[in-house]
Amino acid sequence: GAVVSQHPSWVICKSGTSVKIECRSLDFQATTMFWYRQFPKQSLMLMATSNEGSKATYEQGVEKDKFLINHASLTLSTLTVTSAHPEDSSFYICSARGPTGREQFFGPGTRLTVL
Amino acid sequence: AQSVSQHNHHVILSEAASLELGCNYSYGGTVNLFWYVQYPGQHLQLLLKYFSGDPLVKGIKGFEAEFIKSKFSFNLRKPSVQWSDTAEYFCAVRRGGADGLTFGKGTHLIIQP
Repeated sequence: GAVVSQHPSWVICKSGTSVKIECRSLDFQATTMFWYRQFPKQSLMLMATSNEGSKATYEQGVEKDKFLINHASLTLSTLTVTSAHPEDSSFYICSARGPTGREQFFGPGTRLTVL
Repeated sequence: AQSVSQHNHHVILSEAASLELGCNYSYGGTVNLFWYVQYPGQHLQLLLKYFSGDPLVKGIKGFEAEFIKSKFSFNLRKPSVQWSDTAEYFCAVRRGGADGLTFGKGTHLIIQP
C-alpha cells in the first residue's frame, strides 16, 4: 500500500516553455503532498508543501510564480514549471503524507531537462 | 537553519561486513528521524523511523538505527551487509510541528561480492 506515482518520468523541453508534472497517491488519500528538488549528487531540498483545497506553502528562496502548485483533489497534486530555463533542469520528486499522518511516501521522480 | 550531515558520501564494503552510516542534525528541539534507501532506478523507500520511545529502532531488511539525543545523531547500522544493499541512503529529519523533511546529502553504498 501507500503508492505514489509521478508523470511523466522524464521530460525534455525548450527554454521558455512550461512543463506540468503530476503526482498521484494511488491507494490512499493525501491531504498533504510535498515537492522536492534534487540536483545531481546532492540532497533533496523541500520546495513546497501542497495542501488540498488551499494555497501551497513555499520554502524560502523558491519562486512561487515560477513553480505553480495545484492540489485540486485528495489524490493529485501538480507542479508546473513556468517559462522553464536550463537552470531549472533537475530531478523533481513528490511525496504524500501517509494515512497515519506521520510518514511520507515518495514518488519515483521526474527528470526535467530544459534545452 | 536546520541541517542534516551525513559524513560518508561513498562507502565500499565487502559482503558480510558490518555497516555504520553516520547522521547528525543541528536542530535542538523535538525531531522525527528517518532513514530512506534508494535502490538504482527506484524511488525512495523508508528503511526505518524514530518518533519517540526506545531510541534503538529496527527497520526492514535487517537495518537498525540508534537515536542519541545528546549527540544529535541517528546512525544507521547493519551487522552483515549483502550485495543487494548497494544503494543510496538518505538520512532525514522533521522538526516537531513542521511538515517537510530536511535531507542529508546521501551516502552511496557499494557492496562488493
